[in-house]
Amino acid sequence: GDSVTQMEGPVTLSEEAFLTINCTYTATGYPSLFWYVQYPGEGLQLLLKATKADDKGSNKGFEATYRKETTSFHLEKGSVQVSDSAVYFCALSDPFNAGGTSYGKLTFGQGTILTVHP
Amino acid sequence: GAGVSQSPSNKVTEKGKDVELRCDPISGHTALYWYRQSLGQGLEFLIYFQGNSAPDKSGLPSDRFSAERTGGSVSTLTIQRTQQEDSAVYLCASSLRLYEQYFGPGTRLTVT
Repeated sequence: GDSVTQMEGPVTLSEEAFLTINCTYTATGYPSLFWYVQYPGEGLQLLLKATKADDKGSNKGFEATYRKETTSFHLEKGSVQVSDSAVYFCALSDPFNAGGTSYGKLTFGQGTILTVHP
Repeated sequence: GAGVSQSPSNKVTEKGKDVELRCDPISGHTALYWYRQSLGQGLEFLIYFQGNSAPDKSGLPSDRFSAERTGGSVSTLTIQRTQQEDSAVYLCASSLRLYEQYFGPGTRLTVT
């Protein structure tokens, strides 16, 4: 079955440091890939997505590139802020899980807790 | 506009009792999803609705779990004879366009 593996946390950084959170996946079909973020006390929010190989998703200074050859979708940010402290989830949606018709069902990684100190 | 809302926000119940969790999706969103977030299992898909029908119930963990959606809008997730392993945060999401799911704040269920 499909699966997503994220680097284990927690990750603790100082403000303005460079962030990488690794994410690799296993899928039967050709999935779309996502990063979701959960800020303290809030619900899950879509951070960025990429739907085909070599696509780069970006939002709020975060980027991730869909690498089919390495089955990876690593999240990066050049300079983190205290307000980026949250839990980050990598996820995929695989059309083969629905008989070839994708309806957006998400398979999530285990989440990575990021804490940024001033 | 209003986002996805869920009620109650917290529910504490005794083992063996039935519970109902409610999800109000964003108006006009035809797709609705239920997920569960627990310490041991992470975030897991439970069920997907398109309109009032559920083409994929594959994530429901046992026959104690059921869900329905009426009028293409509100959905209710019911857990019968709750067990301690049912303790989790139950998340609902809705979408109009593929790959743009909007999540509610969740219902935290604690089974004592």
